[in-house]
Amino acid sequence: GAGVSQSPRYKVAKRGQDVALRCDPISGHVSLFWYQQALGQGPEFLTYFQNEAQLDKSGLPSDRFFAERPEGSVSTLKIQRTQQEDSAVYLCASSSDRVGGYGYTFGSGTRLTVV
Amino acid sequence: GNSVTQMEGPVTLSEEAFLTINCTYTATGYPSLFWYVQYPGEGLQLLLKATKADDKGSNKGFEATYRKETTSFHLEKGSVQVSDSAVYFCALTLNTDKLIFGTGTRLQVFP
Repeated sequence: GAGVSQSPRYKVAKRGQDVALRCDPISGHVSLFWYQQALGQGPEFLTYFQNEAQLDKSGLPSDRFFAERPEGSVSTLKIQRTQQEDSAVYLCASSSDRVGGYGYTFGSGTRLTVV
Repeated sequence: GNSVTQMEGPVTLSEEAFLTINCTYTATGYPSLFWYVQYPGEGLQLLLKATKADDKGSNKGFEATYRKETTSFHLEKGSVQVSDSAVYFCALTLNTDKLIFGTGTRLQVFP
């Protein structure tokens, strides 16, 4: 596609509910990143894929967070047993470079509100 | 650790005013530096970048110079427009794939 597509744009979850956030990167982009952006803050790194391999998951805040990219294209970020502190905008970015930061394209994000 | 510090906003200017948004960084090694812009309801967009000391990144009238001696990468524009109203993020990467962002600075430009 022309850009990085994320769905849904908005998600309201009751505390304790599981959620799944989807990212469709630009076709052919090797690298895919997930970031979490709390209100009034800058994005914070969660995890990184190169094709289907998850090379870095050091930013995932707890074992309730899980990400996958099974075929090296679409990625899903799953949050189990959501808590209020999970409320944030979740950003996905993709890049054609194997070393990121030199041409990320970001999606518009999914705003998650946990009530 | 590696980090980015930006001036707090909002920065409020009249159209055609001169803009400076300060950014300083702390890094082990030699980072690449970036400015990203986030317009309301949109994703982050790369505005400009610089990959080594003394490089100047520029785009859409914005400029920033990589100053190793002061560990800074201040964003400047000579004459802002209402359409420049957005949140601006300074960021760095140490070639480890992940970007480290500052907290963002909101710019509001009034006619």
